[in-house]
Amino acid sequence: QMQLVESGGGLVKPGGSLRLSCAASGFTFSDYYMTWVRQPPGKGLMWVSYISTTSTYTSYAEYVKGRFTISRDNAKNLVYLQMDSLTPDDTGVYYCARGFSGIGDVHYYFGMDVWGQGTTVTVS
Amino acid sequence: QSVLTQPPSVSGAPGQRVSISCTGTSSNIGAGYDVQWYKQLPGEAPKLLIYGSTNRPSGSPDRLSGSKSGTSASLFITGLQAEDEADYYCQAFDKILSTQLFGGGTKLTVL
Repeated sequence: QMQLVESGGGLVKPGGSLRLSCAASGFTFSDYYMTWVRQPPGKGLMWVSYISTTSTYTSYAEYVKGRFTISRDNAKNLVYLQMDSLTPDDTGVYYCARGFSGIGDVHYYFGMDVWGQGTTVTVS
Repeated sequence: QSVLTQPPSVSGAPGQRVSISCTGTSSNIGAGYDVQWYKQLPGEAPKLLIYGSTNRPSGSPDRLSGSKSGTSASLFITGLQAEDEADYYCQAFDKILSTQLFGGGTKLTVL
């Protein structure tokens, strides 16, 4: 079955770095955009970043732009999130999710239909 | 404060119908961008419920439906069940921020 498994989370000091990985299985990885979403403790979901199928296009939320870098390896079915200059506000559960798109009445829409179980990042 | 505004909480008795609103602006929902809805149980990953504002993926119960009008979207749940108790989030694209957005989330309590 379709599955995403994140790894790489942990405890890091402010200003430090961490690289998250997400291993995909059960679907043709190279056909899909991949995204990262985070959830601070006790709070709501926050979109972080996504990457296109061939890595041509990446996009970042303003609060991580310039500090985080998303990348992927289609040969290994892996997507990564390199996180640098971490602050306590970056603490939370980081989810990897498969992206999909479709055409609505006016614009394309984009959603996330397969999610990993999350990996916890603590900056303290 | 999220650009997509959801009520912090809603509640309903078993069997009732509830709705959860997601209010945006002219740069997201009002600009014609469709909304996705997700359900999240405590300690679990989110699950897609509705995409393209009104469409249900396979596996999503037909008790769920979605709508969009103007700058707002809504998720409707009929025949409320105990298993519906969860956090619900809306998500859409914002053309000014040029980013995907999530609403702040709504906690649904089944009385």
